[in-house]
Amino acid sequence: QTVVTQEPSFSVSPGGTVTLTCGLSSGSVSTRYYPSWYQQTPGQAPRTLIYSTNSRSSGVPDRFSGSILGNKAALTITGAQADDESDYYCVLFMGSGMVVFGGGTKLTVL
Amino acid sequence: QVQLVQSGAEVKKPGASVKVSCKASGYTFTSYDISWVRQAPGQGLEWMGWISVYNGNTNYAQKFQGRVTMTTDTSTSTAYMELRSLRSDDTAVYYCARQWWDNWFDPWGQGTLVTVSS
Repeated sequence: QTVVTQEPSFSVSPGGTVTLTCGLSSGSVSTRYYPSWYQQTPGQAPRTLIYSTNSRSSGVPDRFSGSILGNKAALTITGAQADDESDYYCVLFMGSGMVVFGGGTKLTVL
Repeated sequence: QVQLVQSGAEVKKPGASVKVSCKASGYTFTSYDISWVRQAPGQGLEWMGWISVYNGNTNYAQKFQGRVTMTTDTSTSTAYMELRSLRSDDTAVYYCARQWWDNWFDPWGQGTLVTVSS
């Protein structure tokens, strides 16, 4: 069974730039997996950030961007702010209607 | 505005069933699919499956096949997720989300906590 991999945790300084990645246990991520990214703070429903690799959801600031880097999908946050401290999840479409979430990355801003 | 409003928290005993509802408003209900995602305490998000509101077709994650049923009522713009044979490890917050054609989710419901305990 294919596993979607994310860094368990990451740290960034306020104002800094961080890139979180989303890979596959077997194979490379491409646009055909329609990678999307979600932000979640404790006790809240997820918030959609990025869809179809690099499209920003409505109201998401442009310091959040998505891309394919090498063989992974990536979420880059530039000018990190304190309220960016959250869990971030990627989602990949595996074909045949199946969707898989990554395990999530806990981002600390300090 | 577009929103999904879910039913309230549930407490169930092991072996029982639970049915969570998700009422949509602000858009044409039949034009989008609905996915269900759950999150156990302290854990990540887990996709359970989706339903085509247009024709009722479903696609369940292998882990839940045989135990989950997703349905919709287009007359009330409501989606339902029923999970049977509940176990303690089914304790989780269950979310519905509108699924777009290119397989992303937005918006999300507020979540429904289901607690399975004897």
